[in-house]
Amino acid sequence: DTEVTQTPKHLVMGMTNKKSLKCEQHMGHRAMYWYKQKAKKPPELMFVYSYEKLSINESVPSRFSPECPNSSLLNLHLHALQPEDSALYLCASSQEEVEIEAFFGQGTRLTVV
Amino acid sequence: GQQVMQIPQYQHVQEGEDFTTYCNSSTTLSNIQWYKQRPGGHPVFLIQLVKSGEVKKQKRLTFQFGEAKKNSSLHITATQTTDVGTYFCAGKGAQKLVFGQGTRLTINP
Repeated sequence: DTEVTQTPKHLVMGMTNKKSLKCEQHMGHRAMYWYKQKAKKPPELMFVYSYEKLSINESVPSRFSPECPNSSLLNLHLHALQPEDSALYLCASSQEEVEIEAFFGQGTRLTVV
Repeated sequence: GQQVMQIPQYQHVQEGEDFTTYCNSSTTLSNIQWYKQRPGGHPVFLIQLVKSGEVKKQKRLTFQFGEAKKNSSLHITATQTTDVGTYFCAGKGAQKLVFGQGTRLTINP
């Protein structure tokens, strides 16, 4: 299994809603990542987890809250988002932290209304 | 902070023509990776280069890493319509992977 699975694929939420994005991999990878990608732009790193511990937080606003319940799962909790947070949210994993190839999930296309 | 510049931003070619995209880093990189993202898709890993001056080939794709480990290129020979997409380089510096802006390749069949 060489897949990173993200759910949901699409999400529309209001600015007062609370929602969560989920990511799962069963490749035994010990590093997992959240990226945000706006249209026609490169992925921007948000968070890195290494061995289930938060390794990097790229000064992301607190309305985004990551969680790594175990080595296979990564969540991103969303609360009080703004319309400008609308984007494709990509989860990725790699065997170790950015040493070799990252496998990306299909992404969650988020629209904040 | 670390920056990775990628040019050109867009490239339109006739099918069968060659294509090259270039990456330049502001700092020395420990490695550089290349990804392809099809329209509506997600980035897919193509290759990683680690050694100074390294050249790797994958069929019609040739990847180079500069001697100073600050620049890289991807060259596609005789493009096909399946090559359409955005090609990103991603450079690993001291800590994290930084993506270039990407080169969007479109092809006239």
